[in-house]
Amino acid sequence: ETGVTQTPRHLVMGMTNKKSLKCEQHLGHNAMYWYKQSAKKPLELMFVYNFKEQTENNSVPSRFSPECPNSSHLFLHLHTLQPEDSALYLCASSTRTDYGYTFGSGTRLTVV
Amino acid sequence: GQQLNQSPQSMFIQEGEDVSMNCTSSSIFNTWLWYKQDPGEGPVLLIALYKAGELTSNGRLTAQFGITRKDSFLNISASIPSDVGIYFCGYSGGGADGLTFGKGTHLIIQP
Repeated sequence: ETGVTQTPRHLVMGMTNKKSLKCEQHLGHNAMYWYKQSAKKPLELMFVYNFKEQTENNSVPSRFSPECPNSSHLFLHLHTLQPEDSALYLCASSTRTDYGYTFGSGTRLTVV
Repeated sequence: GQQLNQSPQSMFIQEGEDVSMNCTSSSIFNTWLWYKQDPGEGPVLLIALYKAGELTSNGRLTAQFGITRKDSFLNISASIPSDVGIYFCGYSGGGADGLTFGKGTHLIIQP
């Protein structure tokens, strides 16, 4: 247990479904992130939230919609995904955006 | 964009051997971080480096922030089976743009 909890651990969804990924941290961190990890690719930064404000949207398609209601919780809302969106989605948090991150265990997403 | 090269891509070693991997960039960075990822888990921070020339150890692991601020290496001494995994370097240029990671080095220990 790293202090960053992601649910669910595994998710299979159809292309017409709507689902949400949840991330929670009680480390007192101010910044939270979503990363996408696909096979044979580097970790791709998707979104950055600093003090609940989105400071980075790394050209992510609109079918991914983040939400940060407070500094401890981060969501990733998914709708009309494509099979190529299948990947491990990792949440992370940190005290500052240039400090070491603490990652969750990820949600393994499969789009069918 | 900034180029980050992590090498080697994979390593096949015998238990007990020392391991060395590195990351180089085309730009100067303020922070270098080294992570390890086990199968089915998120990356775990091993060592964080914040000053050029800094040499930091964590048990059998040693990492250095290059003096030019464009590179970093990670050494593992006397490897053991639980060292198997993917090792990532990550950097930050400062500011609110988060960390960028290398493609990873897959460490495989042969029996």
